[in-house]
Amino acid sequence: GAVVSQHPSRVICKSGTSVKIECRSLDFQATTMFWYRQFPKQSLMLMATSNEGSKATYEQGVEKDKFLINHASLTLSTLTVTSAHPEDSSFYICSASPGTDPNYGYTFGSGTRLTVV
Amino acid sequence: GEDVEQSLFLSVREGDSSVINCTYTDSSSTYLYWYKQEPGAGLQLLTYIFSNMDMKQDQRLTVLLNKKDKHLSLRIADTQTGDSAIYFCAESKNSGYSTLTFGKGTMLLVSP
Repeated sequence: GAVVSQHPSRVICKSGTSVKIECRSLDFQATTMFWYRQFPKQSLMLMATSNEGSKATYEQGVEKDKFLINHASLTLSTLTVTSAHPEDSSFYICSASPGTDPNYGYTFGSGTRLTVV
Repeated sequence: GEDVEQSLFLSVREGDSSVINCTYTDSSSTYLYWYKQEPGAGLQLLTYIFSNMDMKQDQRLTVLLNKKDKHLSLRIADTQTGDSAIYFCAESKNSGYSTLTFGKGTMLLVSP
């Protein structure tokens, strides 16, 4: 149990366009999901905490108008990279937890490799 | 602020034991996790330890926690080539609803 599905796994887009990434909890409900960004050979940087039915909480330095997060249901959060530029190219990963049981920890999606050309 | 540090690289031979070390600064950390990331993939939870535990063993994995020194280690016994990956140490205040703080990851390379 506790599976998080993330799509697409890889996307290439032109500079100036927008890209939407989906994160779904398949067998549990998640009132909270987390979006991370990972640079090559680096750790995961938390971008924002997505809250079902309310606004996302963004980390310092993350532009909320650039990275739009929508958490409209208990099983789906989306991250839209608006007006993408090459510097937005990165690996984006979402995570969620089915509850407070640490045996599940925070389940991660398989990630989305975004390349902006 | 919160900080989690790991060594960046470890190379071992197949069959040997691997020990990956991690230090953290936040004394209020309650849960400490080890995640594995294979190339191009998400993170897979390997194991966790609660802050009131000293050791936890799960098959080939042994986690040791020295809370006084804020030092965490992951030992992989009989390391296999399939264990080659990046291993992340992470901490959180509670499980499920607070954010995780990650180390930079340790790349483990297992040679035949």
